Amino acid sequence: GEDVEQSLFLSVREGDSSVINCTYTDSSSTYLYWYKQEPGAGLQLLTYIFSNMDMKQDQRLTVLLNKKDKHLSLRIADTQTGDSAIYFCAERESRYGNKLVFGAGTILRVKS
Amino acid sequence: DGGITQSPKYLFRKEGQNVTLSCEQNLNHDAMYWYRQDPGQGLRLIYYSQIVNDFQKGDIAEGYSVSREKKESFPLTVTSAQKNPTAFYLCASSGGRLQPQHFGDGTRLSIL
Repeated sequence: GEDVEQSLFLSVREGDSSVINCTYTDSSSTYLYWYKQEPGAGLQLLTYIFSNMDMKQDQRLTVLLNKKDKHLSLRIADTQTGDSAIYFCAERESRYGNKLVFGAGTILRVKS
Repeated sequence: DGGITQSPKYLFRKEGQNVTLSCEQNLNHDAMYWYRQDPGQGLRLIYYSQIVNDFQKGDIAEGYSVSREKKESFPLTVTSAQKNPTAFYLCASSGGRLQPQHFGDGTRLSIL
């Protein structure tokens, strides 16, 4: 079945860039998503990319997609302490409508 | 404000008891979803509904039940058959097959 993998933890200094990586297995995925979860809260949609795109930029966020390697990354420029959270990568399962398959999440810790 | 409301925020279940988690949305979305989140894991799909009066099992439906009598409401019942119900439960909705999912703030269920 489909699988999404992420590294578990990333620590950066305030003001640096953060890069969170994700690999997926479903080569026919059409959309890939990044969600942010703060402690005790639900998931907040950050951005998403369609599979025919290589890159999408939205203010401090840059998403890069390498479809050949099935690799997705989220770059956060000028990382702030408020960016500390868990970041989830998800792919939209191609066979069953809008079902999402999530990675286990990457904990981002920003040190001031 | 448009959004997804989950209630209660915290819920405690006694042995042998069924409990129901509420999810209401005023986004006029057709599709609604229930996920379970355990520490260190990604979200796992319990049930989803793409239209009123219709719903499908997700990957971990055993011990859960749902109904979809109204477009804006998708309650989840955790039955006594679910032997390990302690988790964070998240409800989501989306406006269509190509639209991203948006999440509520979650309900944390614990065993007394």
